[in-house]
Amino acid sequence: NAGVTQTPKFQVLKTGQSMTLQCAQDMNHNSMYWYRQDPGMGLRLIYYSASEGTTDKGEVPNGYNVSRLNKREFSLRLESAAPSQTSVYFCASTQGWQTQYFGPGTRLLVL
Amino acid sequence: QKEVEQNSGPLSVPEGAIASLNCTYSDRGSQSFFWYRQYSGKSPELIMFIYSNGDKEDGRFTAQLNKASQYVSLLIRDSQPSDSATYLCAVKGGAGGTSYGKLTFGQGTILTVHP
Repeated sequence: NAGVTQTPKFQVLKTGQSMTLQCAQDMNHNSMYWYRQDPGMGLRLIYYSASEGTTDKGEVPNGYNVSRLNKREFSLRLESAAPSQTSVYFCASTQGWQTQYFGPGTRLLVL
Repeated sequence: QKEVEQNSGPLSVPEGAIASLNCTYSDRGSQSFFWYRQYSGKSPELIMFIYSNGDKEDGRFTAQLNKASQYVSLLIRDSQPSDSATYLCAVKGGAGGTSYGKLTFGQGTILTVHP
């Protein structure tokens, strides 16, 4: 039981490049989330998926797209990376009103 | 006004003392409240959650909730150097609001416990 896994762990991009961050959970959770964490800003919700087949915008969705591929997987795509997207990205999952479990994070640097 | 506010600290306490971490929130419809601990370079991990007014104790940790004052706190008794971390307060929105079911995080309080 790995919980929530994320790939890659680290990534360096040039401005304008695209990439997809992958997230998978093996806890059979319905809901999955993508957050970004910047110094002094806490965690901010980018997108979430309440259940398979649905996605909704969070607090800071601009510049991102998501895909809920199946119940296990929820990916985050940056189509044209910008330096402002340099951050640590966390994926999380939950079932109903239970607590959210977080993945180990992806550190992204956009030059 | 930010939806969830914490004093960013740093809060420094001596080993063995009580550390008190505070959090206020703006959405009166919020239903559940969480405290996460995050070590440097790691992901957040849940310490406690609380739904009802009053105190909830778990080992050295006590969460306190006052919905009338829109205030939630975390007390850490007998603080240890291993408690040094960032503590994140998170609030889950209640039914009928735009934040229903979603967690909103404060900016976190840095706690340092010195020997």
